[in-house]
Amino acid sequence: GQQVMQIPQYQHVQEGEDFTTYCNSSTTLSNIQWYKQRPGGHPVFLIQLVKSGEVKKQKRLTFQFGEAKKNSSLHITATQTTDVGTYFCAGRDQAGTALIFGKGTTLSVSS
Amino acid sequence: DAGVIQSPRHEVTEMGQEVTLRCKPISGHNSLFWYRQTMMRGLELLIYFNNNVPIDDSGMPEDRFSAKMPNASFSTLKIQPSEPRDSAVYFCASSLSWLKGAGGETQYFGPGTRLLVL
Repeated sequence: GQQVMQIPQYQHVQEGEDFTTYCNSSTTLSNIQWYKQRPGGHPVFLIQLVKSGEVKKQKRLTFQFGEAKKNSSLHITATQTTDVGTYFCAGRDQAGTALIFGKGTTLSVSS
Repeated sequence: DAGVIQSPRHEVTEMGQEVTLRCKPISGHNSLFWYRQTMMRGLELLIYFNNNVPIDDSGMPEDRFSAKMPNASFSTLKIQPSEPRDSAVYFCASSLSWLKGAGGETQYFGPGTRLLVL
């Protein structure tokens, strides 16, 4: 079945450093979504990417969808303590069935 | 505007007992999802409904788990009998429409129910 792998599992950075998490699917995706979950909280939708090679920005966050629509990345520039949490990618396969979540990357930031 | 509502927020029960988790999706949303989150397995989709009809229940672990959606504003996830390995956070999420390309695929998660089975 479809699998979505996410790396790294954990990442610790100093405030001000950049951070990147990568997501790879075993199958071609119709779209990919990114969610953020704060400690003790619930996943909150960040963005959806649909087109091959698409790049979207939200302030310090940059999201990319690969040309083959099988991988994606989230890059945070100059991390802040408010960026702490777990970032999940979730891919929807071409058949349009359920969203498959990656295991997430947990980001910690020290000031 | 109220988001997805789940109850109870916390549940502690003993092995063998029946557990019922409840979810009220965002008004007007046609799709509802039940997820389970554990440290070991991450976020797993258990079942999802579209227009109150179960579409994919392949993630339901076993016959001890059942889910219903009797109307557009209410769903339940039942575990009977419960076991310690069922301890997890259970999330309900809803989306405007799960139809591909309809633009309503964003999932809105509820606060979750933290279940502990002793």
